[in-house]
Amino acid sequence: DIQLTQSPSVLSASVGDRVTITCRANQGISNFFAWYQQKPGKAPSLLIHAASTLQSGVPSRFIVSGSETEVTLTISSLQPEDFATYYCQQMKIYPLTFGGGTKVE
Amino acid sequence: QITLKESGPTLVKPTQTLTLTCTFSGFSLTTTGMGVGWIRQPPGKALEWLSIIFWDDDERYNPSLNNRLTITKDTSKNQVVLIMTNIDPADTATYYCVHRNYYCSGDSCHGINAFDIWGQGTMVTVSS
Repeated sequence: DIQLTQSPSVLSASVGDRVTITCRANQGISNFFAWYQQKPGKAPSLLIHAASTLQSGVPSRFIVSGSETEVTLTISSLQPEDFATYYCQQMKIYPLTFGGGTKVE
Repeated sequence: QITLKESGPTLVKPTQTLTLTCTFSGFSLTTTGMGVGWIRQPPGKALEWLSIIFWDDDERYNPSLNNRLTITKDTSKNQVVLIMTNIDPADTATYYCVHRNYYCSGDSCHGINAFDIWGQGTMVTVSS
């Protein structure tokens, strides 16, 4: 199985901060990464697919960069609605797997 | 507009069989590329992918569930059913139904290779 390790698990930040979340895979998965945002009590929602393509309606302050085994999600200027938990996922090989999540508080 | 909604029991006893139904609208599971899957999330924990079924009847399962899962579709009812046998308290979680529309033909791929639409989730508690 492909294991995804997210860091940090918790990130304390303030509105306006630039925040970065890293997702590392134990093998190359090319651009088969996706990112989801989950707010308390709600279902996750898709933020980014194909490693760096923003889902429709997602603001451009969400930026992704990386390599075959590591991707970084950056929020360029944290907004109040961005406080949430973020999950990376690989869509290359079954079983599909998620990272452990990063809570931005 | 695509929507998905999960339904099923909220409380299940250990060793019983859990049956969850996803009723969807806005697309057909007979259309090339379409898939409906299940993901769960134990309280306070991360997401775990369980299973997915595709328009062409292809089925995939998470082997960590040790062959306890069966996924089926009823295209006439726009429903996907997930059956989980030998339920354990560790299966206590919110179960989400998800949509995926993606396929490749030769070197050309179409759609979004991710779960772009999620149901609201249904909480299942396993307890005697």
